[in-house]
Amino acid sequence: DAKTTQPPSMDCAEGRAANLPCNHSTISGNEYVYWYRQIHSQGPQYIIHGLKNNETNEMASLIITEDRKSSTLILPHATLRDTAVYYCIVRGEGSEKLVFGKGTKLTVNP
Amino acid sequence: SQTIHQWPATLVQPVGSPLSLECTVEGTSNPNLYWYRQAAGRGLQLLFYSVGIGQISSEVPQNLSASRPQDRQFILSSKKLLLSDSGFYLCAWSVVRNQPQHFGDGTRLSIL
Repeated sequence: DAKTTQPPSMDCAEGRAANLPCNHSTISGNEYVYWYRQIHSQGPQYIIHGLKNNETNEMASLIITEDRKSSTLILPHATLRDTAVYYCIVRGEGSEKLVFGKGTKLTVNP
Repeated sequence: SQTIHQWPATLVQPVGSPLSLECTVEGTSNPNLYWYRQAAGRGLQLLFYSVGIGQISSEVPQNLSASRPQDRQFILSSKKLLLSDSGFYLCAWSVVRNQPQHFGDGTRLSIL
């Protein structure tokens, strides 16, 4: 599975959009981009995933660049409860495992 | 809707003692089931996965074993715990292999 690079930390004001970047320049054609988040002392929570098209659900939007070498997770109106570590994961179609890196620690400030 | 349960939430065990952690899933049939471990300051590591009753695949050799005695039950065991077995153990399920995995709230295991 391809490796991902994320900034170690980010801050966002409550009510504003949080845009979390992820680089995955070695991604291959059958690998999906997954986003999870982990609030302290809890299990990771699935947010969204995509292959090449942009995706949106009730939690977030995922924007994948045309060359698929990077993506951005957008939380449209961040709340204090969105403070967490966000993980960008690239997973091959036939792979059972999710490989979690260090992620981005997002802090939403009042 | 589907739910996943893990217990206990925290556990303190002496070195050399046995271990049994249980995970059950409700609201789905024949899920894929997974055990991960998160050591302090490190990412999650897949330990075992199962695609059906009695079918276990191990990702890394270690002091632990897994069993799936029923469709929606996944058990992580050890006969003799080591200090290095300390960590946060997470169970997850998915509908099929290529679908998102959904995690339980984990068991925090401390070995003394």
